[in-house]
Amino acid sequence: GDSVTQMEGPVTLSEEAFLTINCTYTATGYPSLFWYVQYPGEGLQLLLKATKADDKGSNKGFEATYRKETTSFHLEKGSVQVSDSAVYFCALSDEGTSYGKLTFGQGTILTVHP
Amino acid sequence: DAGVIQSPRHEVTEMGQEVTLRCKPISGHDYLFWYRQTMMRGLELLIYFNNNVPIDDSGMPEDRFSAKMPNASFSTLKIQPSEPRDSAVYFCASSPAGGNTEAFFGQGTRLTVV
Repeated sequence: GDSVTQMEGPVTLSEEAFLTINCTYTATGYPSLFWYVQYPGEGLQLLLKATKADDKGSNKGFEATYRKETTSFHLEKGSVQVSDSAVYFCALSDEGTSYGKLTFGQGTILTVHP
Repeated sequence: DAGVIQSPRHEVTEMGQEVTLRCKPISGHDYLFWYRQTMMRGLELLIYFNNNVPIDDSGMPEDRFSAKMPNASFSTLKIQPSEPRDSAVYFCASSPAGGNTEAFFGQGTRLTVV
């Protein structure tokens, strides 16, 4: 079955540091890939997505590129802010299914200090 | 639009009691999803509906769990009888038809079974 693996967390950074959160996946066919963010006490919000190989999703300074050859979708940001502190989830949706039918990674807690 | 609305936000109940979680999806959305989030298992899809019809309930853990969607604007997730291991955050999400559109999540219901 489908699965998503994220780097072990939590991640603690100083403000303006570079962020990378690794994500790899296992799926049949050509899934769509997503990064969701969860702020304390809130639901999940879509951060960015990519629907085919070599697509780059981007939003709020975050980027991730769909790499089919390495089955990866790593999240990066060049300069993090304290307000980026949250839990980040990598997820996939099978080809041909609703984007709401998601398989999630275990989540990575990010804490950014001033 | 107010987004996906879940109630209650918090529920504490005694083992053996019936628990009902409620969800109002975004108006016009055809898909509705129920997810469960725990520390041990992360985010798991329990069941999803399309046009009020259950499509896939393979994620429902046991017969103690049931979900209904009597109309396009309301869904319930019921646990009867509840057990301490059901303690989790339950999320509802909805998405429009067409497949290639993101899902929007509610703020979740934190269930504690004592």
